[in-house]
Amino acid sequence: EAQVTQNPRYLITVTGKKLTVTCSQNMNHEYMSWYRQDPGLGLRQIYYSMNVEVTDKGDVPEGYKVSRKEKRNFPLILESPSPNQTSLYFCASSLYTGMNTEAFFGQGTRLTVV
Amino acid sequence: GENVEQHPSTLSVQEGDSAVIKCTYSDSASNYFPWYKQELGKRPQLIIDIRSNVGEKKDQRIAVTLNKTAKHFSLHITETQPEDSAVYFCAASRDDKIIFGKGTRLHILP
Repeated sequence: EAQVTQNPRYLITVTGKKLTVTCSQNMNHEYMSWYRQDPGLGLRQIYYSMNVEVTDKGDVPEGYKVSRKEKRNFPLILESPSPNQTSLYFCASSLYTGMNTEAFFGQGTRLTVV
Repeated sequence: GENVEQHPSTLSVQEGDSAVIKCTYSDSASNYFPWYKQELGKRPQLIIDIRSNVGEKKDQRIAVTLNKTAKHFSLHITETQPEDSAVYFCAASRDDKIIFGKGTRLHILP
């Protein structure tokens, strides 16, 4: 089944403790991206990757890192999480380089930083 | 910077009536305009999209119109049903970047 898989689905952590949210797609998509969703603010792009070893900042990249060592995986890293990073996170992928095709979203990761 | 404005933020319509959600965008390089539906607790899913070389597209009860000159596009849902209740996001995209609107929460009243 074609899908985008994120893990974990839920995470509670403490300020400053490094964490990684994994994202994997099995559709051989070139483009992958991360979003955070906050009430009243919609979906905001954190980072995106147009292909392996190619990543770039979205609109809200501060406090986050990503890597794209393989086509299928695009982990999101929070080196030193802070409470303002409490949010619902979505990973997404699309077929072609760029976002001009349908984006397939993962199930979401609800992160709470205390 | 680039922006997508979406209105209204909340919309309540009687079951069977039509719903219209409007978006405007600022980046003239945008050439792809998808609409995503997000049901409660679920992930966003594409419901319809339109490209810049097309003015209108329809899929059963859902239609999207695009006015490139005015930089606005709209989602139209006719004969609304309870399962249309959700949050709807518009987006404007160019090759390397996508910007989403803040979303519209649609309530279908019985």
